[in-house]
Amino acid sequence: ETGVTQSPTHLIKTRGQQVTLRCSSQSGHNTVSWYQQALGQGPQFIFQYYREEENGRGNFPPRFSGLQFPNYSSELNVNALELDDSALYLCASSLNMVRSTEAFFGQGTRLTVV
Amino acid sequence: GESVGLHLPTLSVQEGDNSIINCAYSNSASDYFIWYKQESGKGPQFIIDIRSNMDKRQGQRVTVLLNKTVKHLSLQIAATQPGDSAVYFCAETGRRALTFGSGTRLQVQP
Repeated sequence: ETGVTQSPTHLIKTRGQQVTLRCSSQSGHNTVSWYQQALGQGPQFIFQYYREEENGRGNFPPRFSGLQFPNYSSELNVNALELDDSALYLCASSLNMVRSTEAFFGQGTRLTVV
Repeated sequence: GESVGLHLPTLSVQEGDNSIINCAYSNSASDYFIWYKQESGKGPQFIIDIRSNMDKRQGQRVTVLLNKTVKHLSLQIAATQPGDSAVYFCAETGRRALTFGSGTRLQVQP
C-alpha cells in the first residue's frame, strides 16, 4: 500500500450536480496531483497542489477546481457534472515537487455521472 | 474489481516466458520515462524509471530500454508470472505532471 487514501471509492451523481473527492497524502508529502482516467485510457493530469497553492494545471475547464489543506490533504471539486466526467479520479502525492517518478498513487475514486 | 480498460491492446504470454511491452512517446524534452503497472481496482504502481540521458536500466526481473532516436520505450519482464497480469502504462515527465500513454494489457497464461 502507498499510504495515499482516497474517498469515497465509488459514487454516482446526476448530470448538473457538483461533487467533491478527497485525498489524504502520504505522511511527509506536501504535493498532491490529481488525474482523470477514462475507461480504456491512461490517466490525464488535471492539476497539482504544492503547499496549498495550485502549481500547474492540465487541459481541464475551470469547473474542475481544488484545494489543499495545511495538513496537505486535498480535495477535487467538479461543478456542473457532465456525462463525460465519468471516470476514475486518481490522486498522487510526492515530496517537494520532486520528479514525478517519486509520486505515489491512491486507489482512485470511480465517479459515474448519469 | 473494476476493469481498468476494456479495449486496450493485449499481450498474452505463457507463464515463465519473457514479456516485452512497447511504447512510443511524443515529448523529446521529457526528463524521465516511467513504467507503471495498474491492477484492477487499484491506482498505478511504479515499476521502474529511466532518465533521458540513459538507454537501459535494469531492476528486479524488469529492464527498461529507451531509444531516443525513434522515441521508443520498452519494458522487458523476465520469467513472467501470473501476478504480472495487469495493464502497463508508460509515462513521461518533467517536474510536475506525468503524461501517460494508452496502456497495454498483459495476460499471463498458466
